[in-house]
Amino acid sequence: SQKIEQNSEALNIQEGKTATLTCNYTNYSPAYLQWYRQDPGRGPVFLLLIRENEKEKRKERLKVTFDTTLKQSLFHITASQPADSATYLCALFRYGNNRLAFGKGNQVVVIP
Amino acid sequence: NAGVTQTPKFRVLKTGQSMTLLCAQDMNHEYMYWYRQDPGMGLRLIHYSVGEGTTAKGEVPDGYNVSRLKKQNFLLGLESAAPSQTSVYFCASRSSGGSSNQPQHFGDGTRLSIL
Repeated sequence: SQKIEQNSEALNIQEGKTATLTCNYTNYSPAYLQWYRQDPGRGPVFLLLIRENEKEKRKERLKVTFDTTLKQSLFHITASQPADSATYLCALFRYGNNRLAFGKGNQVVVIP
Repeated sequence: NAGVTQTPKFRVLKTGQSMTLLCAQDMNHEYMYWYRQDPGMGLRLIHYSVGEGTTAKGEVPDGYNVSRLKKQNFLLGLESAAPSQTSVYFCASRSSGGSSNQPQHFGDGTRLSIL
């Protein structure tokens, strides 16, 4: 069966350090992968997209990598700040399919 | 710029009651989606629409109906609410322009409790 796995344990990290989250998938051949941020009581907000033929994407303090051989994406927040505390969701999209499949999300807590 | 607006924000129903959740978007997006989010389950797709007048089933469609009579609105109906439908419901929309990898824009959810 198809699975998208994100760590269910919250990541507690000291302010200023780099937070790294993992998204693993099985039985998917995604055309691209998206990362979203979700704050308590709010809807998810799009952050970054990376295509199957891209290895790395950056946006300000965010970096995403995509390894289709390992079937894994890594999401990095460099120089983390307390305002980065949230839940981060990965989502996969396949061509011919008009939908995203979401992981369950991974919570990040940045400690001042 | 309102984006995606969901009404109501909160609702409590009794088992067997019916209700409609409204989603409105002002971005002229073709695609619209209804998800439910439960603890430990992540976002699961209920129904979606690829344009005005079209609807399709998602991952967990049973017990729900939808309609897309106008491009900007996507309605989710519960005909006979059950406690298992207690959840947070999110609506999302995305553009079809350019390429298929457009991001989805989400509303802030409707928190529904069924007693």
